[in-house]
Formats: sequence, structure tokens, C-alpha cells
Amino acid sequence: DTAVSQTPKYLVTQMGNDKSIKCEQNLGHDTMYWYKQDSKKFLKIMFSYNNKELIINETVPNRFSPKSPDKAHLNLHINSLELGDSAVYFCASSQDMRVTDTQYFGPGTRLTVL
Amino acid sequence: GQNIDQPTEMTATEGAIVQINCTYQTSGFNGLFWYQQHAGEAPTFLSYNVLDGLEEKGRFSSFLSRSKGYSYLLLKELQMKDSASYLCAPMDSNYQLIWGAGTKLIIKP
Repeated sequence: DTAVSQTPKYLVTQMGNDKSIKCEQNLGHDTMYWYKQDSKKFLKIMFSYNNKELIINETVPNRFSPKSPDKAHLNLHINSLELGDSAVYFCASSQDMRVTDTQYFGPGTRLTVL
Repeated sequence: GQNIDQPTEMTATEGAIVQINCTYQTSGFNGLFWYQQHAGEAPTFLSYNVLDGLEEKGRFSSFLSRSKGYSYLLLKELQMKDSASYLCAPMDSNYQLIWGAGTKLIIKP
């Protein structure tokens, strides 16, 4: 059983297009996250949702819009894709926002913008 | 500002011991996590320290000194499968993980 799953695993698209990445967790966790890992391997938090409510919204262009239909899903929609959006995007979840909670990561989505 | 400092790359021999150091500066502190990330894969949890001292878990141990803003991950009896990046991630006062770029560990036979 996959704990945190993302689709698609690979996404190649043209500049200016709109795309979505889906994330689902079957761990019963209350908190979900989106991270971006660039070519230098830094993991940067983008968004965090707790029980479908936005908790963290880092300085991310408003072309990125997360949507949480329920607490098991956190999808990421990206409008007007740019070359700099090329990266690996990881979804993660944790039980809740408590300090000792481990984050479990999805397999990542490698986005390439041409 | 918030900052994480780890060596970019380390090389060690199969069967040996290696220590990966991490120094950090964060706005507040709520513990420190170590994650392992194999190439092309997701990070996976290794350890969590919130009090000073050494936490041992099998071949892996993690140490924390809050007053020095310092942690290390100690890997014993190295195996080829330990070749990966190791990410140090302290948690700040907002319960947000601050990630470094990680240390790429190369294991040689």
C-alpha cells in the first residue's frame, strides 16, 4: 500500500501551459505539504494544509494554487508555466502540526518546462 | 536569518564509520530531523532529536547540541545501500522544517 502517492511521476510541458499535480495520502494524517526541490537539491516548503485549511503559504507566485478537497488530498495547480518552474515537486503528510511528527513524502513529480 | 550548513559531499569505505556534521541557525527551535534521500527518490525519515545528547537507532545515531547549534549523524558498518544524500532539517518556532541542501555520501567498496 502506498502511503503518499503523487501523479504524474513525470510531467513535460511547454511554457505557458496550465498543469496539475495530484497528491493523496492514506495514512489518516491531518496535515499535508507541497515542497519544491530545485537542481541544487534544496527542499523549499511551498504550502501546508491542516484539515483542509491553509496554514503555510510561503512566497510562491500566485500562479501556484493548492486545492484540498478533503484532508486526504492536496492538489497543486500551476498556471502559465515558466522555465524556472522546472523542478521536482514533493507532496508530504504528517499526523498533524505537532512538533514531533515525522513527515512522509510522496515519490515526487519531476516537472520539466520546455 | 535561517541557515543550515552541511558538507556538500563525503566519501567513505564499505564497513567503515562516517560522521556527517550539521550546523544551523533558526528563529526558535523545536527539534532537528535527519532524512535520507536516495537519488531520484523521496526523502525518508531517519531520526529526530529535541534534547541534547545522542540518540541511537541501529547502525545510525544522531547527536544534538542546542547551545552550539550543532548536530551530527553517525553511520556505522557502512553498506553500499547507504550511498545517498543526508538532509539535516531543524524545525523553527513556527514548526516549519528548514532544509539544507544535504550531504551526498558516496560509499566505495
